Amino acid sequence: QSVLTQPPSVSAAPGQTVTISCSGSKSNIGDNFVSWYQHLPGTAPKVLMYQNNKRPSGIPGRFSGSKSGTSATLGITGLQTGDEADYYCGTWESSLSAWVFGGGTKVTVL
Amino acid sequence: QVQLQESGPGLVKPSGTLSLTCAVSGVSVSSNNWWSWVRQAPGKGLEWIGEVYHSGSTNYKPSLRSRVTISMDKSKNQFSLKLTSVTATDTAVYYCARYVPVNGLSYPSTFDYWGQGTLVTVS
Repeated sequence: QSVLTQPPSVSAAPGQTVTISCSGSKSNIGDNFVSWYQHLPGTAPKVLMYQNNKRPSGIPGRFSGSKSGTSATLGITGLQTGDEADYYCGTWESSLSAWVFGGGTKVTVL
Repeated sequence: QVQLQESGPGLVKPSGTLSLTCAVSGVSVSSNNWWSWVRQAPGKGLEWIGEVYHSGSTNYKPSLRSRVTISMDKSKNQFSLKLTSVTATDTAVYYCARYVPVNGLSYPSTFDYWGQGTLVTVS
């Protein structure tokens, strides 16, 4: 059981919008930056968002991130079939001096 | 271009020791970055194992701390993972990754480069 809670799955039709929540506590999300990763089977995870809401070079503007208190959210607009993947939030857990990932959310494009 | 490549046995016997190495190219392991191991068991999510800094400092996942050692070989520009007393639950794809600290270059506070991963089966 992860200290960061994500919904197991979300789905939407192509072109629609999905949001993925990541819920934690003060000692993790509340006090530290959140990053988001896209993971396709058989490949290396790829960073989509760093320091809560910053996109690395090459990540489309369809992806957005936000943080409020002890929760963070990843948004994907204009959903494409290529967005089907597992998405993970992650942050530092200050009480454990350890990095933690959320349980992951599978995005399905209907 | 930064690249990370895992290597090591793909099969380890129960109660044995899992040993993996991550060869780093394009950047020095002595740079201001943490060098990490992450794994994914079949059907499960990503699990952070631990990290090492060039100063020798390490951090480990508490539940694995008694069995894990992460070390660095600066002369070979690589870092390694040792996990002792393995069981079937340690079967996973193991990734090495670079973590950029908050005061680092590239994308701070994130894992920006990853290896392709290597499957280790305990059986």
